Amino acid sequence: GAGVSQSPSNKVTEKGKDVELRCDPISGHTALYWYRQRLGQGLEFLIYFQGNSAPDKSGLPSDRFSAERTGESVSTLTIQRTQQEDSAVYLCASSLASATYNEQFFGPGTRLTVL
Amino acid sequence: AQSVTQLDSHVSVSEGTPVLLRCNYSSSYSPSLFWYVQHPNKGLQLLLKYTSAATLVKGINGFEAEFKKSETSFHLTKPSAHMSDAAEYFCVVNTPNTDKLIFGTGTRLQVFP
Repeated sequence: GAGVSQSPSNKVTEKGKDVELRCDPISGHTALYWYRQRLGQGLEFLIYFQGNSAPDKSGLPSDRFSAERTGESVSTLTIQRTQQEDSAVYLCASSLASATYNEQFFGPGTRLTVL
Repeated sequence: AQSVTQLDSHVSVSEGTPVLLRCNYSSSYSPSLFWYVQHPNKGLQLLLKYTSAATLVKGINGFEAEFKKSETSFHLTKPSAHMSDAAEYFCVVNTPNTDKLIFGTGTRLQVFP
């Protein structure tokens, strides 16, 4: 079946512009995660959803970052007034129920470049 | 607070020799631990996981890891490296009562012919 998909695969934007990143999880996966991976670094947790609710938003770097999920399916990560330090690969993952006991399946990522 | 420390940012081995990627964890609870692999230009993939069952966990592609509570370690090993094992490896720990996972900073494995 289809895996996790993300769009766009690449996004180049100017500083100060807003961007919206999309994640389509595997059908039936109730848990959805967003991570950020800066060049040469590990994954930084941003937010996760159980269904359409986000129990943990502690990883969002600032109030310029927001995310939503609808229909227990698609999720969008929005970055307002982008800054150069936002440049990174943004990864989405989904899992059946709890990721503590179930494998996370990762999408290919969106590479964001802020000029 | 939960955390993982990957002790080596880079490991280089010759093809056919053993692989050891080190990971130490910190957790105030009995943790769940994972190893994920990221091949160049490919998505992250689960190698193996420990969730309080057997302490020696076998994963895909001949990798295994042993949970050692006394040493707070979860090192990843493979008896004989293959060129296709060259990738970035991440040690991961869960946080109790949530589904948040904490990733280590990664170890880049290079395999030389």
